Amino acid sequence: QQQVKQSPQSLIVQKGGISIINCAYENTAFDYFPWYQQFPGKGPALLIAIRPDVSEKKEGRFTISFNKSAKQFSLHIMDSQPGDSATYFCAASILGFNKFYFGSGTKLNVKP
Amino acid sequence: KAGVTQTPRYLIKTRGQQVTLSCSPISGHRSVSWYQQTPGQGLQFLFEYFSETQRNKGNFPGRFSGRQFSNSRSEMNVSTLELGDSALYLCASSSRTSTDTQYFGPGTRLTVL
Repeated sequence: QQQVKQSPQSLIVQKGGISIINCAYENTAFDYFPWYQQFPGKGPALLIAIRPDVSEKKEGRFTISFNKSAKQFSLHIMDSQPGDSATYFCAASILGFNKFYFGSGTKLNVKP
Repeated sequence: KAGVTQTPRYLIKTRGQQVTLSCSPISGHRSVSWYQQTPGQGLQFLFEYFSETQRNKGNFPGRFSGRQFSNSRSEMNVSTLELGDSALYLCASSSRTSTDTQYFGPGTRLTVL
């Protein structure tokens, strides 16, 4: 059973546009939701993370929106840039357990 | 601080062989986790070690094993390799602070022929 479902699988956005990636989770015990960015040939790097006690977290051009009742969370990339072209993964875990369940990834292509 | 390092970066093995991968965490980090990344299955958790003890385990067969040394360096071993074991194996370390931030290494690309 897939614990975290991510969509879309791929996304093409024009430079300056908004990229939106969605994730849904099953386990209500999850209480830590990070997003990772991965470039080819590199390991994933933490982008931004949220806990369920807040509905939104913003860091620069990146925003996580969290809907606890719907068990969904999403990543918004404002003013998308070609340098943002990468694969993005959402993940979920129970804080303190260091066992993360990852979404299947979204390959983002930002066209100049 | 130096990041997470993994060796070797690339490895080619044949079916039936065994392989050992190495991971050096960020200095001061005591938790090391291993993940398998494939195009079909994505990122899947293998196991986590903390202070030389396996604390969490994913749903992988017993052919996959690991250990952690007193300096927090970790090794992962896969015995009797199968074609389906071809993947990018990622190691991540964390300091076990309240943020639980995991820092990933660049991975070891294993190809099984």
